[in-house]
Amino acid sequence: NAGVTQTPKFQVLKTGQSMTLQCAQDMNHNSMYWYRQDPGMGLRLIYYSASEGTTDKGEVPNGYNVSRLNKREFSLRLESAAPSQTSVYFCASLPRDSYSYEQYFGPGTRLTVT
Amino acid sequence: AQSVTQLDSQVPVFEEAPVELRCNYSSSVSVYLFWYVQYPNQGLQLLLKYLSGSTLVESINGFEAEFNKSQTSFHLRKPSVHISDTAEYFCAVSYAGATNKLIFGTGTLLAVQP
Repeated sequence: NAGVTQTPKFQVLKTGQSMTLQCAQDMNHNSMYWYRQDPGMGLRLIYYSASEGTTDKGEVPNGYNVSRLNKREFSLRLESAAPSQTSVYFCASLPRDSYSYEQYFGPGTRLTVT
Repeated sequence: AQSVTQLDSQVPVFEEAPVELRCNYSSSVSVYLFWYVQYPNQGLQLLLKYLSGSTLVESINGFEAEFNKSQTSFHLRKPSVHISDTAEYFCAVSYAGATNKLIFGTGTLLAVQP
């Protein structure tokens, strides 16, 4: 199993450009998450999807949209990138009947908006 | 609002010395507690977790954490650190009734010096 994969690993955008960050998991997990990590602020939840077909806002959703394409894939879209969205983005997943409550993380996407 | 506090943003320590990384959470009836570790330029990995039962939990690489309900704390300790323990450590909490969501602290950088 590859676990949770993210593409791309690095990206540089100009202000106003759009892009989609891709996330996929091959563990048959139901819930998926998008976080951003900024220095001194830990990880903050952007959006999550408790199951295929549902999405919900997290702590910092403004400027982002998400799509739960199927059970495996959960994408994050920046429609008009801003320098404040410069960050490291992590995708994570969680099994449905998880009695361990452990989220599994991808390797991250480092995004710079100039 | 529910929150997790990691008071120390950075902890420098010499190799083979003991270390404690502090974590406090806002009080709730029932919580699940986690420590994640992030090595440089990598994603997050679960280090250890408390779900129920014994309040002292251990990891395979010598870390331990103790759940203290009265002090709402979950401090991470290791009696003798190695250079390879240099990483950022995140405390996270999941609350009963919202077990599919994690709230992270701001992280503590453990810098082990020779």
